[in-house]
Amino acid sequence: ETGVTQTPRHLVMGMTNKKSLKCEQHLGHNAMYWYKQSAKKPLELMFVYNFKEQTENNSVPSRFSPECPNSSHLFLHLHTLQPEDSALYLCASSLYGDRGHGYTFGSGTRLTVV
Amino acid sequence: TQLLEQSPQFLSIQEGENLTVYCNSSSVFSSLQWYRQEPGEGPVLLVTVVTGGEVKKLKRLTFQFGDARKDSSLHITAAQPGDTGLYLCAGAGNTGTASKLTFGTGTRLQVTL
Repeated sequence: ETGVTQTPRHLVMGMTNKKSLKCEQHLGHNAMYWYKQSAKKPLELMFVYNFKEQTENNSVPSRFSPECPNSSHLFLHLHTLQPEDSALYLCASSLYGDRGHGYTFGSGTRLTVV
Repeated sequence: TQLLEQSPQFLSIQEGENLTVYCNSSSVFSSLQWYRQEPGEGPVLLVTVVTGGEVKKLKRLTFQFGDARKDSSLHITAAQPGDTGLYLCAGAGNTGTASKLTFGTGTRLQVTL
């Protein structure tokens, strides 16, 4: 248990489904992130939230929709995904602006789009 | 775009051997971090280096940040099977993006008995 909890751990969804990934942290961190990890590719930053305000959208397709209701919770809403969206989706949190402070990652959601 | 190249990509060694993993970029970073990721889990922070030339030791692991803050290395002495995993370096932006990390391409290490 790292302090960042992601649910579900595994998700299989059809291309026409709508689902949501959830991330929760109670570490007192003020920044939260969504990363995508695919085979043979570096971790790709998707979204950054600082004090629940989105500060970065890394050219992510609109079929991925983030939501950050407060500094402790982060969601990623999914709809009409493609098979190439299958990947490990990682949530992380940190103290924003502190270059000496690392990220705390959740265990990820393994997403398979069929 | 800041890119971090790690080498080697894959490394399979026997228990007791030493190894070094490299993380290189043409960009300057305000800090650099190393993570280890095991199958089915998220990356776990090992160390953060902030000052150019800085060396940090964590038991059998030695981390160095290049003088110009563009590169880093991780040296493992007497590797053990528990060191097996994906090692990731990550650089933090220089100004205004201090918490935005760019991750390296990764080095997958396997240590066998």
